[in-house]
Amino acid sequence: DIQMTQSPSSLSASVGDRVTITCRASQSVLSYVNWYQQKPGQAPRLLIYTISTLQSGVPSRFTGSGSETDFTLTISSLQPEDFATYYCQQSYSIPLTFGGGTKVEI
Amino acid sequence: EVQLVQSGAELKKPGESLKISCTGSGYTFSNFWIAWVRHVPGKGLEWMGMIHPGKSDLRYSPSFEGQVTMSADKSLATAYLKWSSLKASDTAVYYCARRPCSGGNCYSDFWGQGALISVSS
Repeated sequence: DIQMTQSPSSLSASVGDRVTITCRASQSVLSYVNWYQQKPGQAPRLLIYTISTLQSGVPSRFTGSGSETDFTLTISSLQPEDFATYYCQQSYSIPLTFGGGTKVEI
Repeated sequence: EVQLVQSGAELKKPGESLKISCTGSGYTFSNFWIAWVRHVPGKGLEWMGMIHPGKSDLRYSPSFEGQVTMSADKSLATAYLKWSSLKASDTAVYYCARRPCSGGNCYSDFWGQGALISVSS
């Protein structure tokens, strides 16, 4: 199985901060990485797919980058509604695997 | 509008069987994979597997193969997840999600609301 290691597992930030979350794959997953946001009691929401393509309706303050094994999700200016847990996922090989999650707290 | 609507919360005893459902609308159900994802409270997301209703194709995570059975009825636009003998460790929220593909990559763009399954004696 491909392991997806996210860091940090949690972070504290303020409104307006720039936040960066990293995800490292245990082997190359090419460009098959997606990012999800989950708030308590809600289903996950797709933010970014194929490394950097913004899902329809997602604000442009979210950006994704990286390649092969190292990927990054950046929130350029944190907004109150962005406090949530973020997950990366690889879609390169089965079983599809998620990172452990990064909880973004105030 | 694309929607996935899941069956409701369940409280079951260990050893009981259960089948939960996920009904799609607003798109051609048989054209997309449906994935199942487990979320144990306080833990991360786990991919369980996926089914293609139009091709009757199934892919299981090795962690869940033999523990659950996925099926789908494209005439009802509904996917199912079944347990034949529940364990306390199956307690979790289960999500279904539609998986379109673009440029070789597939991702989950629409999700069901989740079904909380509680297993306790």
